[in-house]
Amino acid sequence: AQKITQTQPGMFVQEKEAVTLDCTYDTSDPSYGLFWYKQPSSGEMIFLIYQGSYDQQNATEGRYSLNFQKARKSANLVISASQLGDSAMYFCAMREVTTGGGNKLTFGTGTQLKVEL
Amino acid sequence: KAGVTQTPRYLIKTRGQQVTLSCSPISGHRSVSWYQQTPGQGLQFLFEYFSETQRNKGNFPGRFSGRQFSNSRSEMNVSTLELGDSALYLCASSFSGTSGTGELFFGEGSRLTVL
Repeated sequence: AQKITQTQPGMFVQEKEAVTLDCTYDTSDPSYGLFWYKQPSSGEMIFLIYQGSYDQQNATEGRYSLNFQKARKSANLVISASQLGDSAMYFCAMREVTTGGGNKLTFGTGTQLKVEL
Repeated sequence: KAGVTQTPRYLIKTRGQQVTLSCSPISGHRSVSWYQQTPGQGLQFLFEYFSETQRNKGNFPGRFSGRQFSNSRSEMNVSTLELGDSALYLCASSFSGTSGTGELFFGEGSRLTVL
């Protein structure tokens, strides 16, 4: 079975600083996808970034980048130049390969990020 | 381009009742999946529909069911509600076909409270 581990229940960062949120995963499948989502207190799950297991380069989306280290099975999210609006819960997730194909995500327990002035 | 739309956003039910939640995916997306989020269990996969067929199913009792219509809109139903069904129910849509690649986009969720 696939597993996602986020070891940081809470993180603090100063505004304008960069922060790294850790995520490690466990799978025996050669093909998988890794996601990061942001969930503010309103509850909406906001897509941030996606990395496919065969992608050669680390994914980037604006201030978000994914530090993908396949051999170490880690997929850390880096947020550059933190803003107060970045304060939220962040989830790492992995797409599970099923016999039926398709989309079944396994989520980590999340990291609560607080950006301070 | 409109995002994933879930209705209703909030609802309160009593034990034993049933509830139906609706999800309209992003235009052109054919895959719709459902997740339950609770403080104790975190985010758990319920099921996924693709082209009106259930493609994947999580470990939930038969009280939880769903369907997908020809326009890709999906509904999930929970019968005989229990207190433990109180949760945020999230719907996700994806363009992906059988390869299961690409991004998933979530709606704002339906927050169910069972009294």
